[in-house]
Amino acid sequence: NAGVTQTPKFRILKIGQSMTLQCTQDMNHNYMYWYRQDPGMGLKLIYYSVGAGITDKGEVPNGYNVSRSTTEDFPLRLELAAPSQTSVYFCASKLGETQYFGPGTRLLVL
Amino acid sequence: AQSVTQLDSHVSVSEGTPVLLRCNYSSSYSPSLFWYVQHPNKGLQLLLKYTSAATLVKGINGFEAEFKKSETSFHLTKPSAHMSDAAEYFCVVNSNYQLIWGAGTKLIIKP
Repeated sequence: NAGVTQTPKFRILKIGQSMTLQCTQDMNHNYMYWYRQDPGMGLKLIYYSVGAGITDKGEVPNGYNVSRSTTEDFPLRLELAAPSQTSVYFCASKLGETQYFGPGTRLLVL
Repeated sequence: AQSVTQLDSHVSVSEGTPVLLRCNYSSSYSPSLFWYVQHPNKGLQLLLKYTSAATLVKGINGFEAEFKKSETSFHLTKPSAHMSDAAEYFCVVNSNYQLIWGAGTKLIIKP
């Protein structure tokens, strides 16, 4: 099992550009999550999904979109990148009450 | 609504001395609670979890935490700190489908 994988590891975007952060899990978990972590802070939930075809907003969804066409994949889309979206993004899947995290994507918007 | 407060943003201890990282929670029902650790520039690792079984929970690397309902606390402890324990620690409470994260406590180990 590779667990939860994320690509890319690091990306620099210009203001107004768009990009998709990829997240894949091979554990057949129904629940998946996207978080952002700003410096010196805990994680904040952006979006989550309870299964293929079902997504819902978390605490900080503005500026992001998600889709969940398969159980394995849960991509996060930034349409118009802003400096406030500079952060580290973590994807996670959940089985029972335990979440399994990917290694993170560090995003810098200039 | 569930919430979690980590009472110290930084904790500094000498190597070989005990560690105490404090966490208080707020929940309208009996919660599930977690401690995660994040080493510098690394991902998140589950240290331990409480899910309404034994109130004293043992985790990895010698850490343990005690659930105290009367005090709404879930403090993390370790008898003897090691240099490799230097990291950021997060207390987390389960709320329906989501995890609510504390702001984190940075543990500094002095040689």
